[in-house]
Amino acid sequence: AQSVTQPDIHITVSEGASLELRCNYSYGATPYLFWYVQSPGQGLQLLLKYFSGDTLVQGIKGFEAEFKRSQSSFNLRKPSVHWSDAAEYFCAVGPITGTASKLTFGTGTRLQVTL
Amino acid sequence: ETGVTQSPTHLIKTRGQQVTLRCSSQSGHNTVSWYQQALGQGPQFIFQYYREEENGRGNFPPRFSGLQFPNYSSELNVNALELDDSALYLCASSWDRGDEQFFGPGTRLTVL
Repeated sequence: AQSVTQPDIHITVSEGASLELRCNYSYGATPYLFWYVQSPGQGLQLLLKYFSGDTLVQGIKGFEAEFKRSQSSFNLRKPSVHWSDAAEYFCAVGPITGTASKLTFGTGTRLQVTL
Repeated sequence: ETGVTQSPTHLIKTRGQQVTLRCSSQSGHNTVSWYQQALGQGPQFIFQYYREEENGRGNFPPRFSGLQFPNYSSELNVNALELDDSALYLCASSWDRGDEQFFGPGTRLTVL
């Protein structure tokens, strides 16, 4: 069965500092991987996704993620955090096929940004 | 282009009651998926509807049921509500079954 682990429940960084959020997955085949962000009272917004190809994926808002098959990881990074990045971040894994999509999410990492 | 909308925003019910949540998909999208997000947890897949038929279901009991209409909007029905059903219910639509999902803001259900 597929699963996602986000080991860090809560992370605090200073504005301008770099950020890395960890995500480990378990999946039997080549996974489809996603990072979503959720602000309070909001739905989920897709930051980036990995289907195949280049293992370093660029997303919106200056985020990037690197797929490492050997480590079953898909960590999210940002070189310089802004106060508006404070939110809950979710990593998710497919399957995504031509006929179905079922996302399995991790439990999330809450990011706090100090000024 | 209108995004995914959900109604109501908040809802309070008592145990044993029934509830219906609604979702309007983004224009042109024919697939709707529903997720339950309990407090402090990630969303969990309930089911997906494609062109008015169920197209995959997660590990939820039959008292969770759904419907998709010809205009591709959707309803989630939950019968015999239990306290553990208290959660944020998210709807997501996509162009097709295997495509990127766009999420709505969710409906916060509280069961007392």
